[in-house]
Amino acid sequence: QSVLTQPPSASGTPGQRVTISCSGSSSNIGRKPVRWFQHLPGTAPKFLIYNNTQRPSGVPDRFSGSKSGTSASLAISGLQSEDEADYYCAAWDDNLNGHVFGTGTKVTVL
Amino acid sequence: EVQLVESGGGLVQPGGSLRLSCAASGFTFSDSGMSWVRQAPGKGLEWISSITGSGDGTYYADSVKGRFTVFRDNSKNTLFLQMNSLRADDTAIYHCGKHWDCWGRGTLVTVSS
Repeated sequence: QSVLTQPPSASGTPGQRVTISCSGSSSNIGRKPVRWFQHLPGTAPKFLIYNNTQRPSGVPDRFSGSKSGTSASLAISGLQSEDEADYYCAAWDDNLNGHVFGTGTKVTVL
Repeated sequence: EVQLVESGGGLVQPGGSLRLSCAASGFTFSDSGMSWVRQAPGKGLEWISSITGSGDGTYYADSVKGRFTVFRDNSKNTLFLQMNSLRADDTAIYHCGKHWDCWGRGTLVTVSS
């Protein structure tokens, strides 16, 4: 049972915008930076967002992150078929003294 | 090019031990914190352990604390995960990662009698 809660699924048609939420608490998102990962089971996780809003080099600007209080969001604009994957938020948790991943959101491109 | 390649997975009986390795290349290994995460069948990603670049700081998820040990050999650019007292719920694909921008494809650990 993760301390970071995400909706289990999200979907959109090609070109649409999809937003994924990540709800935490004052011991994690409320005071620590959020990261986002994209993952297809059986493959290497891909790093999408760090420090709440920053994109590593090579990540398309269609991916954007935001944070407010104890929640964070990942937005995918101009949805493409290759964006179909699982998405996870992550942050350090001061109470657990460790990193935590969100419950994960499966994005489907209709 | 940064590369991380995990090895050492396999089938082990409950209560047994296994040591995973992660061979790193393409970056200054000793400068980077590293982590292990896993994905059990049908489940999401779970962080299980991290280690600082020098190796003097280690962190563990409650689910593996006291059973797993993370360590590294900076002279060989290799990260390790020693897993003892393995349980069925440790069955998963284990990925190593360079904080936080590069991850390996993983190695499968199956705990079953």
